[in-house]
Amino acid sequence: QQQVKQSPQSLIVQKGGISIINCAYENTAFDYFPWYQQFPGKGPALLIAIRPDVSEKKEGRFTISFNKSAKQFSLHIMDSQPGDSATYFCAAAYLGTPLVFGKGTRLSVIA
Amino acid sequence: DSGVTQTPKHLITATGQRVTLRCSPRSGDLSVYWYQQSLDQGLQFLIQYYNGEERAKGNILERFSAQQFPDLHSELNLSSLELGDSALYFCASSTGGSSYNEQFFGPGTRLTVL
Repeated sequence: QQQVKQSPQSLIVQKGGISIINCAYENTAFDYFPWYQQFPGKGPALLIAIRPDVSEKKEGRFTISFNKSAKQFSLHIMDSQPGDSATYFCAAAYLGTPLVFGKGTRLSVIA
Repeated sequence: DSGVTQTPKHLITATGQRVTLRCSPRSGDLSVYWYQQSLDQGLQFLIQYYNGEERAKGNILERFSAQQFPDLHSELNLSSLELGDSALYFCASSTGGSSYNEQFFGPGTRLTVL
């Protein structure tokens, strides 16, 4: 119930294309869904986060889509660039609990 | 640069040994989190301290322990090391003690147990 399942494990996208990473959860108590971005040799860094009171949140080229009924949320990266090549982690939490992370998606954007 | 520092950057040791990983949080942050990152398990939460007190505990083995000192730096102690403990260990800090607060991760300590 505390798991967050992330897919795909790895993703190769052409420069300028759309990268889509999906996450699913079981625990309906989760009410905070952040995405973290990790470059090789670095620690993860918060990219964007959403609460379940909205179905979509956009920051620049990054958008989180949230489907409460399906218990799924996804990260869309528009106009993907080689600099976006990194590992992306979804996570979930609710008040008083630590973040539960997905296993990560390694994104490679090729020119 | 997140402002979180971790030492050492790399650590190579033998099975059965004990090591200490150190973390200094961002200035003003009261919460420190420890995570273990391995290829097959992703980021696993180990333990959280808030202003010197243990706040939450995850899948931390009994061989592992942590503490947060009055100056808010934290140490993660790993003992009776096994090959399977080889991983990246991250420390993160945040201003508050809630998971809703943004966590700032350090660069990690890579532990190799031979």
